[in-house]
Amino acid sequence: DQQVKQNSPSLSVQEGRISILNCDYTNSMFDYFLWYKKYPAEGPTFLISISSIKDKNEDGRFTVFLNKSAKHLSLHIVPSQPGDSAVYFCAASLYSWGKLQFGAGTQVVVTP
Amino acid sequence: DTGVSQDPRHKITKRGQNVTFRCDPISEHNRLYWYRQTLGQGPEFLTYFQNEAQLEKSRLLSDRFSAERPKGSFSTLEIQRTEQGDSAMYLCASSLELMGAEYEQYFGPGTRLTVT
Repeated sequence: DQQVKQNSPSLSVQEGRISILNCDYTNSMFDYFLWYKKYPAEGPTFLISISSIKDKNEDGRFTVFLNKSAKHLSLHIVPSQPGDSAVYFCAASLYSWGKLQFGAGTQVVVTP
Repeated sequence: DTGVSQDPRHKITKRGQNVTFRCDPISEHNRLYWYRQTLGQGPEFLTYFQNEAQLEKSRLLSDRFSAERPKGSFSTLEIQRTEQGDSAMYLCASSLELMGAEYEQYFGPGTRLTVT
């Protein structure tokens, strides 16, 4: 039962432009959402999170937007840099942190 | 470096053999998680510990899987009578839980298991 879905397996974006990654979820009880970034041969690295009581959280070039009514969140990366090329996972938790349920990931490639 | 470490990084075994993986969390972290990731999928939760107590196990964790965290420090994940379907990346993560609030989970590099 996949409760967190990332429907775009890949995204290609030019350096300097905006990357927009999308994530949908089905369980309205989720109250914490996170994005992780993963390079090959490394474990996922925490990027940014958002509580269900907020609709936006910003950290430098990364902004996460949460639309609870649509059960949708997105990650914006502006401007995109070559080092951003990685797999990005959306994750959700039923109670602030705790076990995480992940989407299948989106491979981002930033081209010069 | 005081990150999460996992050993071994790669393991190839024959079907039916037992394997054991080790995870060393960040030293002050009291929570430890095991996840499994297969190709094209995100990590799936297997089990987690608060100190030495195993608090939750996923339905994915069949009777052939057992995890321990003696003394609340490192953890081991053992798979008995391995099957080809056990081939996956096994990820360990640790976090600090303090007075009801938990901080981010830090992941190790994973152990890639191949069952032939």
